[in-house]
Amino acid sequence: AQTVTQSQPEMSVQEAETVTLSCTYDTSESDYYLFWYKQPPSRQMILVIRQEAYKQQNATENRFSVNFQKAAKSFSLKISDSQLGDAAMYFCAYVGGKLIFGQGTTLQVKP
Amino acid sequence: DGGITQSPKYLFRKEGQNVTLSCEQNLNHDAMYWYRQDPGQGLRLIYYSQIVNDFQKGDIAEGYSVSREKKESFPLTVTSAQKNPTAFYLCASSIRGGPNTGELFFGEGSRLTVL
Repeated sequence: AQTVTQSQPEMSVQEAETVTLSCTYDTSESDYYLFWYKQPPSRQMILVIRQEAYKQQNATENRFSVNFQKAAKSFSLKISDSQLGDAAMYFCAYVGGKLIFGQGTTLQVKP
Repeated sequence: DGGITQSPKYLFRKEGQNVTLSCEQNLNHDAMYWYRQDPGQGLRLIYYSQIVNDFQKGDIAEGYSVSREKKESFPLTVTSAQKNPTAFYLCASSIRGGPNTGELFFGEGSRLTVL
């Protein structure tokens, strides 16, 4: 069965610094998607970045980038130049035969 | 603007009452989903529907019911059989269902409190 694990319940970063959120998953499928979603205090889930498993190149969206290690089944999110508005809960999600979310990581950004 | 609308945003219910949460989408998406979110437990799938007039149980379907009579609408009923219904409920949709369903689009959520 597929699983998604976010081992960091809480993280903090200084404004303008860089932080990396970890996500590991387990699957026997070869074709799937991975996503990072952000849930700010408003609680609306917002897509941050997506990665197709067949693509070797790591996805990048402005200050957000991923480190996708398919063999290691690792999908970490790097936030560069952190801003106060980045404070939120971040969820890693696996989409293949099933759609599975990790437990979430709460990110605090300190001014 | 296209999107997903959930209502009500906040709802209070007495024990023993059924309550229905509304979810409407104008994205022309085939698939719709209901998730429950509790502190420290991420999102857990309650029910999903890949096409009109068809739906499947998710991981925690007990005490819940759904219908999918129209493509745009996927209401969730929290019945009195649900033992711990106080939670935040999120509705989502995707262009298609099935494997590799792609990106989910979410509503703003409904907070249900049982008094």
